Amino acid sequence: DAGVIQSPRHEVTEMGQEVTLRCKLISGHNSLFWYRQTMMRGLELLIYFNNNVPIDDSGMPEDRFSAKMPNASFSTLKIQPSEPRDSAVYFCASRVGTGEETQYFGPGTRLLVL
Amino acid sequence: GDSVTQMEGPVTLSEEAFLTINCTYTATGYPSLFWYVQYPGEGLQLLLKATKADDKGSNKGFEATYRKETTSFHLEKGSVQVSDSAVYFCALSDPSEANNLFFGTGTRLTVIP
Repeated sequence: DAGVIQSPRHEVTEMGQEVTLRCKLISGHNSLFWYRQTMMRGLELLIYFNNNVPIDDSGMPEDRFSAKMPNASFSTLKIQPSEPRDSAVYFCASRVGTGEETQYFGPGTRLLVL
Repeated sequence: GDSVTQMEGPVTLSEEAFLTINCTYTATGYPSLFWYVQYPGEGLQLLLKATKADDKGSNKGFEATYRKETTSFHLEKGSVQVSDSAVYFCALSDPSEANNLFFGTGTRLTVIP
């Protein structure tokens, strides 16, 4: 079975541009998590969804960040406008549901904002 | 609130050396405990887990025992290999927090031949 799929794997953009990161969940999973990883702050949970509904977005840094789950298998994380401090590796992870603990991570998107 | 504290890195070992990475936790409920591993350029992968006190998780020669009395879940391996070089994350999952994962800061391990 395919694991969590993220695209693009690498993104280089200029400050002020819009960035869209994409994630496809493992088939049959219905919880989705977006994380950000930096050297300074480690791994941070940005937002998570259950059955397409955002449950906790308290980790989203500011209004420039938004996440959607338009269907049960796909999610986007958008940054508009992007800033150099947004440079990080962004991971999404999925799991079967709230009764299951193990999360399965995608390979990540490495974002560089110049 | 829930939290995980793990050993600061980086850790550098020679091949075949013994590895210990310490991890302690604080939780309000009855958590499950995990070790995830991140190889260079990749996402996190589940290495092992334990769901209740005194359980031992094991995989690929790594072991960790859930110690409720010391609130610890230390990762050990008897003989490390160069291919074990990675970042290791301790994490907990608390049913009272919707089973979401709380991660430690990660410990970078480098194994030299």
